[in-house]
Amino acid sequence: QQPVQSPQAVILREGEDAVINCSSSKALYSVHWYRQKHGEAPVFLMILLKGGEQKGHEKISASFNEKKQQSSLYLTASQLSYSGTYFCGTEYYGQNFVFGPGTRLSVLP
Amino acid sequence: DAGVIQSPRHEVTEMGQEVTLRCKLISGHNSLFWYRQTMMRGLELLIYFNNNVPIDDSGMPEDRFSAKMPNASFSTLKIQPSEPRDSAVYFCASSLVQRGSGELFFGEGSRLTVL
Repeated sequence: QQPVQSPQAVILREGEDAVINCSSSKALYSVHWYRQKHGEAPVFLMILLKGGEQKGHEKISASFNEKKQQSSLYLTASQLSYSGTYFCGTEYYGQNFVFGPGTRLSVLP
Repeated sequence: DAGVIQSPRHEVTEMGQEVTLRCKLISGHNSLFWYRQTMMRGLELLIYFNNNVPIDDSGMPEDRFSAKMPNASFSTLKIQPSEPRDSAVYFCASSLVQRGSGELFFGEGSRLTVL
């Protein structure tokens, strides 16, 4: 069951902050975040397991609200290099990992 | 260390032809995933293997698609016969952990165009 991501797309200026949300209609075991730059493969950012955040990356962090069955990715003081499509991936108990539809982030100078 | 290696990077073929995509896993990884990416459908899991055994192939579109893992480090995805709707970027990814529970390491992808 594919998670829902919002917004679908966001445009920022360098230095601005952004939040990308990922939500599920089912109880989650874990949430993963990946970034894919245009023409490249997705690259792992972090995984959040039930009970708390496990890893951060540069000025990018994330939270996992188990009760609300959602995760948020926070990009602070965005840089041009942050541009790309951000995918959350959700893992359910006993089921395979599923990617969300993605959020396209564009950071302008 | 070398990452996941896919070949070919680009393939253009005509409808009805056989297409074989190849993937070499990162040494020591025991899970292999084939994904297909299109604008319309996003990143779809086609099949995944653990320790060379296909665990879940429910994402394979139809009998025209088949995947094998003849040894611990190599996999192929075959489409026969190919159709224009198969045009997409095909990624393979490897992992140390089953079901995608851990970090997935993606190859650079094979861009397939079926005319």
